[in-house]
Amino acid sequence: AQSVAQPEDQVNVAEGNPLTVKCTYSVSGNPYLFWYVQYPNRGLQFLLKYITGDNLVKGSYGFEAEFNKSQTSFHLKKPSALVSDSALYFCAVRPRLGNQGGKLIFGQGTELSVKP
Amino acid sequence: EAGVVQSPRYKIIEKKQPVAFWCNPISGHNTLYWYLQNLGQGPELLIRYENEEAVDDSQLPKDRFSAERLKGVDSTLKIQPAELGDSAVYLCASSLGDRGTEAFFGQGTRLTVV
Repeated sequence: AQSVAQPEDQVNVAEGNPLTVKCTYSVSGNPYLFWYVQYPNRGLQFLLKYITGDNLVKGSYGFEAEFNKSQTSFHLKKPSALVSDSALYFCAVRPRLGNQGGKLIFGQGTELSVKP
Repeated sequence: EAGVVQSPRYKIIEKKQPVAFWCNPISGHNTLYWYLQNLGQGPELLIRYENEEAVDDSQLPKDRFSAERLKGVDSTLKIQPAELGDSAVYLCASSLGDRGTEAFFGQGTRLTVV
């Protein structure tokens, strides 16, 4: 079955420190990869995506993500965390081909907490 | 340009009553999704439309849930009758047909069944 895993329910970092939110996937082929952020009582906001090319992609609010094909991972990173980055982060995958193409599959989410 | 618009934002109903949610996607987006999100969890797909055609409704509980997207634009999701376990946030999203494009989400409808 196709799935997305975010192994950490919660990540705690101090403001100014680098952060990493992990994501691995089990989807055949070379899927499209996405990160979304959700603030309380809000919908999901798109952060960045990997389509092809450079394994390091840059997105909104200083976030970036590193694609690793051999490890089927797409970890979200930021060099210096801000308190305002505290939110729920979701990794999502969309198969490129087949009858599942178009379907956006989400991980269970990681709560990021940045302390002053 | 307006984003994905959902209404209502909040709905409280008694169990066994019907309820309907409405979604207006971003103009020009031919793919529309309805997701269910339980508190602190990832969204789970209920149904996906390509234009007016439901291309993936395998996760939709068809005994009580129904959806439509007439004319391939806005969409409604209905539950009849609602159960206590249906309490959740219902998210609508839309995207262009190109699978490499991101989906844009509405703010969701928080349903509470009492």
